[in-house]
Parts: sequence; C-alpha cells; structure tokens
Amino acid sequence: QKEVEQDPGPLSVPEGAIVSLNCTYSNSAFQYFMWYRQYSRKGPELLMYTYSSGNKEDGRFTAQVDKSSKYISLFIRDSQPSDSATYLCAMSANYKLSFGAGTTVTVRA
Amino acid sequence: DAMVIQNPRYQVTQFGKPVTLSCSQTLNHNVMYWYQQKSSQAPKLLFHYYDKDFNNEADTPDNFQSRRPNTSFCFLDIRSPGLGDAAMYLCATSSSQGTSVYQPQHFGDGTRLSIL
Repeated sequence: QKEVEQDPGPLSVPEGAIVSLNCTYSNSAFQYFMWYRQYSRKGPELLMYTYSSGNKEDGRFTAQVDKSSKYISLFIRDSQPSDSATYLCAMSANYKLSFGAGTTVTVRA
Repeated sequence: DAMVIQNPRYQVTQFGKPVTLSCSQTLNHNVMYWYQQKSSQAPKLLFHYYDKDFNNEADTPDNFQSRRPNTSFCFLDIRSPGLGDAAMYLCATSSSQGTSVYQPQHFGDGTRLSIL
C-alpha cells in the first residue's frame, strides 16, 4: 500500500463546475498537507498548505484536512480553462514530501 | 519576485558526457532539494542540503552529485548520464527551524534533460 493514494483521473469538467480532488494517507506522523498545481513542462506550484484539520479557503480554492480519517481534499469553485493542470497532493513529516500520483484535470470551455 | 530559478530550462547532452544543472533562489531558504521527475510520475527526491549539510537519499545512484557553494546556489552534477536519466530535474527550497520542522517546499520550473 502506498503512503499517499490519489486517483490519477483524468478528470474532465465543464467551465464553471466545482472540481473535487481527494487523497488518503496512512502515515499518522504527517504534519503538513499541501496541494501543488503543475502545468505541462513547468514545476509544481504550491497552491495551498495547512497543518491542522479543518478548512482553509483562498479565493476559489478550499483545502480540507480530516486527520481522524486520514483524508484531504481540494475544491475548486467556478473552474476555468486556466485551471487545467495536474494537481498533486503532498504531505510531510520532516524534510521529505510524500506525493500522491497527481490528478490531471481538464476544464472544458 | 522572490523565486527559485533553474538554468537552463532545456539541456541536451550525449550519453556519458558530464552535465551540470544549476539552481538559484532569492527566498533565502536554508534547505535546498533536487528532484527527478519522469513523465506522468510524481517528483522523486534525490538529495537535499540542510544549510551546508548534504543528505543523500538511499536509492539515489552514485552517478548523481551535488554542490552548494552558498545559500543561494545549488548544482546538480550527473557524471555519466545514461538514457534512463532523461527526465525533468526540479530544484526546491524550504525553510526549517530545527531539523524536525520544515516549511512547505517551493519549486523551480525545472530543467528538462535529454540524452542523445
């Protein structure tokens, strides 16, 4: 079993839809929970991070962490074609990031 | 803007010919990382520097070396590139207050390495 599980998709949604992305994990020692967005031929861009259970909002993005269920989510409201990218969840207990497989999202105009 | 800058963006080398990739940062972070990312895969950590201390991952081939001459710069040296080393190489930085607490990592845009 992988430490971090993420459905690789692909996920295709119409413009304006809500995009819902999820990851589950097995390591209780993880302290930071992150979402990265990676466009083709670019490096991962840190979208959001949190270190506690609960919700965190930033504009159209909401990150949720449920440590009791070992489950994290990212929601993108009012999705735009520019949101088309691969979304990677990542978690860390120390210096090392444990990544999910990444979910490729396409927002159709 | 503060950022992590990698040069070059694209690098072509010959099989077995040494190559060096560079990374610089303006974030003044004390930790720097090098990752290898192959197509449709998550980044794989090769090694990291905590200040000047080098930390190799157990499964990183000996063919990969790194140098960090100062806080801002870090280099990845591939001594004898093989065809399997063709990949995107990503540099990342983070800050750490003590060896158990690391802030989230910020990545550069990578260098795409091709081997002829």
